[in-house]
Amino acid sequence: GIQVEQSPPDLILQEGANSTLRCNFSDSVNNLQWFHQNPWGQLINLFYIPSGTKQNGRLSATTVATERYSLLYISSSQTTDSGVYFCAVVSFWQNTGNQFYFGTGTSLTVIP
Amino acid sequence: EAEVAQSPRYKITEKSQAVAFWCDPISGHATLYWYRQILGQGPELLVQFQDESVVDDSQLPKDRFSAERLKGVDSTLKIQPAELGDSAMYLCASSLGSGPHNEQFFGPGTRLTVL
Repeated sequence: GIQVEQSPPDLILQEGANSTLRCNFSDSVNNLQWFHQNPWGQLINLFYIPSGTKQNGRLSATTVATERYSLLYISSSQTTDSGVYFCAVVSFWQNTGNQFYFGTGTSLTVIP
Repeated sequence: EAEVAQSPRYKITEKSQAVAFWCDPISGHATLYWYRQILGQGPELLVQFQDESVVDDSQLPKDRFSAERLKGVDSTLKIQPAELGDSAMYLCASSLGSGPHNEQFFGPGTRLTVL
């Protein structure tokens, strides 16, 4: 299967600081999503970004599919940004269909 | 805003008991997924439905787990009998279609504790 590695595993920021989270994957993928898991466990969609760059407020993401990585940028961090950020990829195989892989996540803590 | 609904949100049970979780996907979403997330790890796919048909259940422990989506809308995941190692978050997700280019949307999850 595809290996999905996220870095750093843990990150502590002062409120207002910027950060970059990285997702590396070991093979070509058809789909990539970034999620924020809130303290209650729900996965919130941030970006659907199989390639290219997208921005949504203080967050932006870039996926370079040919080099097998994606970056999530958080600017002017707020305490509400705390939680775990997951990268998830989907790879389609003719004989087995869609294969879904989540990374192990980056745990972000934003300190006031 | 359309959301994936799940119930119950929390479930505590004793080992060897039966438990069931319910999921109602976003209206119009043909594809439904059940994931299990162990604390400290990313979610792992258990089963995928396209309408009422199972597309992939290769990671579903079929000796004790079962899933159904009888009318192609809502779905139930059952565990019988529950074991201590089943303690986890069970997440349901849905997407418009089954192809790899479909965005998945998750429900709030059911947190299961087996005593």
